[in-house]
Amino acid sequence: GAGVSQSPSNKVTEKGKDVELRCDPISGHTALYWYRQSLGQGLEFLIYFQGNSAPDKSGLPSDRFSAERTGGSVSTLTIQRTQQEDSAVYLCASSLTGPEAFFGQGTRLTVV
Amino acid sequence: AQSVTQLGSHVSVSEGALVLLRCNYSSSVPPYLFWYVQYPNQGLQLLLKYTTGATLVKGINGFEAEFKKSETSFHLTKPSAHMSDAAEYFCAVSDLRGGSNYKLTFGKGTLLTVNP
Repeated sequence: GAGVSQSPSNKVTEKGKDVELRCDPISGHTALYWYRQSLGQGLEFLIYFQGNSAPDKSGLPSDRFSAERTGGSVSTLTIQRTQQEDSAVYLCASSLTGPEAFFGQGTRLTVV
Repeated sequence: AQSVTQLGSHVSVSEGALVLLRCNYSSSVPPYLFWYVQYPNQGLQLLLKYTTGATLVKGINGFEAEFKKSETSFHLTKPSAHMSDAAEYFCAVSDLRGGSNYKLTFGKGTLLTVNP
């Protein structure tokens, strides 16, 4: 596709349920990042992929959060046993080489 | 650790007036610096970036920013505001300490409103 695509655009889930958020990066981009945007914490880094490997998971807030990337392309961020504090916009970004990253539209997650 | 401070969570200007959004950073190594813009319910769009070379960088929509190492600043300016500039603006810093990992550290953002 022409840009980074994220799905769903909005997700409402009940507290305690698991959710999966998907990111389709720009074709050929080897680097992929997940960020979280919340009112209280602003924009925070979650995890970095280079190819299918995640050498930097330092931003994942708890072990309820995990992510994987397959085929050097699509990535899925999974949140288990969701809590209300997980409500936020989850943004994915990809880059080819160098520091310029392109962001998707985000997934707005609401935990009720 | 890196950090970014954006002075003013909300800036209001009149249409046609100068826009100045302030950003200061801290980094122990030469940084890469970015300004992103976010319109309501949208992702982040890159306005401009400084990596190496000329310290005055020009971006899209008439914006520019100057990297001042001595002041650890990267302020964003536009000579004449347009109504369509109303959005939230984020300053961000990255560096190469992590190899090819260019993860970004963001400021808290500045909401720009433009009055007719």
